[in-house]
Amino acid sequence: QQPVQSPQAVILREGEDAVINCSSSKALYSVHWYRQKHGEAPVFLMILLKGGEQKGHEKISASFNEKKQQSSLYLTASQLSYSGTYFCGALLSYNQGGKLIFGQGTELSVKP
Amino acid sequence: NAGVTQTPKFRVLKTGQSMTLLCAQDMNHEYMYWYRQDPGMGLRLIHYSVGEGTTAKGEVPDGYNVSRLKKQNFLLGLESAAPSQTSVYFCASSSRSTVNTGELFFGEGSRLTVL
Repeated sequence: QQPVQSPQAVILREGEDAVINCSSSKALYSVHWYRQKHGEAPVFLMILLKGGEQKGHEKISASFNEKKQQSSLYLTASQLSYSGTYFCGALLSYNQGGKLIFGQGTELSVKP
Repeated sequence: NAGVTQTPKFRVLKTGQSMTLLCAQDMNHEYMYWYRQDPGMGLRLIHYSVGEGTTAKGEVPDGYNVSRLKKQNFLLGLESAAPSQTSVYFCASSSRSTVNTGELFFGEGSRLTVL
């Protein structure tokens, strides 16, 4: 039931782009993206609702493909501050009462 | 502005001991959650609450109990701790109006070691 993220880890040079994928075996109502820096609490990035809507946050954007039950997070022109672990959270229905289930995480390291 | 506060931040237990983790939020949020984080496993939902006096099981509820007697507090209990419960525990909260369209606010985490 836990969403599957890929890749598990990625190393970038500053200015490079990256894509993180999140797939579910079950139909999704919404997908939530969080970033966690080492030793800190996860912080909300964005949410995508059913409908294939694409959202943006600075140079970070995401898409949601309902047919494939997949979401992708796009990091453009990466900065050192983008380093951390990215988690996608899946909500299966509106009536799930906020039961947000997270993937295993993707560790992103941005080097100078 | 405290947000979500977890107590204690660190704890070492012996197998079989019991303990309670306290989560307090000052944002008047309806929903509260307990997650555990283990390397390679991500954040796994233990229990959650959709309002004062209510609780529900998440993905990995076995070995844990919870209570939500007051809206601002969500307690996580371990009756008989096991080494498999060594983990970092995160509490989170969200408002009723944004639970499905908005964000979870996380506490700083509580690191528990069971020997």
